[in-house]
Amino acid sequence: GAGVSQSPSNKVTEKGKDVELRCDPISGHTALYWYRQSLGQGLEFLIYFQGNSAPDKSGLPSDRFSAERTGGSVSTLTIQRTQQEDSAVYLCASSLGVSSGANVLTFGAGSRLTVL
Amino acid sequence: DQQVKQNSPSLSVQEGRISILNCDYTNSMFDYFLWYKKYPAEGPTFLISISSIKDKNEDGRFTVFLNKSAKHLSLHIVPSQPGDSAVYFCAASRGGYQLIWGAGTKLIIKP
Repeated sequence: GAGVSQSPSNKVTEKGKDVELRCDPISGHTALYWYRQSLGQGLEFLIYFQGNSAPDKSGLPSDRFSAERTGGSVSTLTIQRTQQEDSAVYLCASSLGVSSGANVLTFGAGSRLTVL
Repeated sequence: DQQVKQNSPSLSVQEGRISILNCDYTNSMFDYFLWYKKYPAEGPTFLISISSIKDKNEDGRFTVFLNKSAKHLSLHIVPSQPGDSAVYFCAASRGGYQLIWGAGTKLIIKP
């Protein structure tokens, strides 16, 4: 597609439920990132995928969070047993990967998660 | 440990004047710095970047200045326009895929 597509754009769920957030990156972008932005905060790195390499999961806040990227394209971020502190905007970004220049990320519009 | 800091949560500037957004960092190993702009309900969009080997990069109304000795960079917008009202994020990288982000500065352009 022309840009990074994320769904759903808004998700309201009850505490304890599982949620899945989807990201469809720009075609040809080998790198894919998930970030989280809580109210009034900066972007918090969650996970990074690059080609067939093992993902960098160092930013995942707990084992309730997981992500996968199928076929090097679409990615799904899963949050199990959601808690109220999981409420945030979850942003997906993709890029061509690191080259000799700046690593410019293209972001989707985000998925706003509200846990009641 | 906040490696990238944007100390001003918000900034208000008159339309037509210069907007100056500041960013400080602590890690001297950063090799690229990027500025992103974010409108409500949208993802951040890339604005301009600068390599650590340069001290200035210009693109139209946007200029980024880098002062390595002070570990400080700034984004200048001249002249400021109503459409520039947004949250601006500073980000830094260290030769890899990881970007370290500041908390953002909300710029408000007054008519």
